[in-house]
Amino acid sequence: DAKTTQPPSMDCAEGRAANLPCNHSTISGNEYVYWYRQIHSQGPQYIIHGLKNNETNEMASLIITEDRKSSTLILPHATLRDTAVYYCIVRVRGRDDKIIFGKGTRLHILP
Amino acid sequence: EAQVTQNPRYLITVTGKKLTVTCSQNMNHEYMSWYRQDPGLGLRQIYYSMNVEVTDKGDVPEGYKVSRKEKRNFPLILESPSPNQTSLYFCASSFGDTGTQYFGPGTRLLVL
Repeated sequence: DAKTTQPPSMDCAEGRAANLPCNHSTISGNEYVYWYRQIHSQGPQYIIHGLKNNETNEMASLIITEDRKSSTLILPHATLRDTAVYYCIVRVRGRDDKIIFGKGTRLHILP
Repeated sequence: EAQVTQNPRYLITVTGKKLTVTCSQNMNHEYMSWYRQDPGLGLRQIYYSMNVEVTDKGDVPEGYKVSRKEKRNFPLILESPSPNQTSLYFCASSFGDTGTQYFGPGTRLLVL
């Protein structure tokens, strides 16, 4: 079973911020939160990851709650090209083992 | 250019005819993995490898084999394909310390 829970789908208006939630209530202290997205049937693309501090890069921001049981991926100004399935996973960085993706959130950007 | 390549990209075959899907990465990554993706089921891990000669089962290993004789290559072998292995397959690799996975473009397999 996936270690994360995400809503199956979400809508967001073009130009607005898209906020995608993820629950990971059983996360361990050494597990990182990673976000990927998949556009159509292309290979998933890495977006961002974090441990406990909020993170930002050129694609998105990641907000992790203080208790680390949930996080939010923020796409600040969504465009039609951000329409994709977004996956949140947890894994221990530096220790490579089984990875469980789950079904992700299908984000629809509305014109 | 850093990349993960898969071949073939599309394959139609018949039940029982052995096939191999190749995966190669040019980033000197230690970790490599195979996933399958089916409608409504998301990405499911088949096998993974932490380094040369080290492989382990993911969530759905039945009917598949892998090998890791070289660091850059991680072929997926279907000894006797069946229609329920019709799927979209992705190979991925990552460097151990970062955990960030790079995915290949996918192989769409149809088993008749």
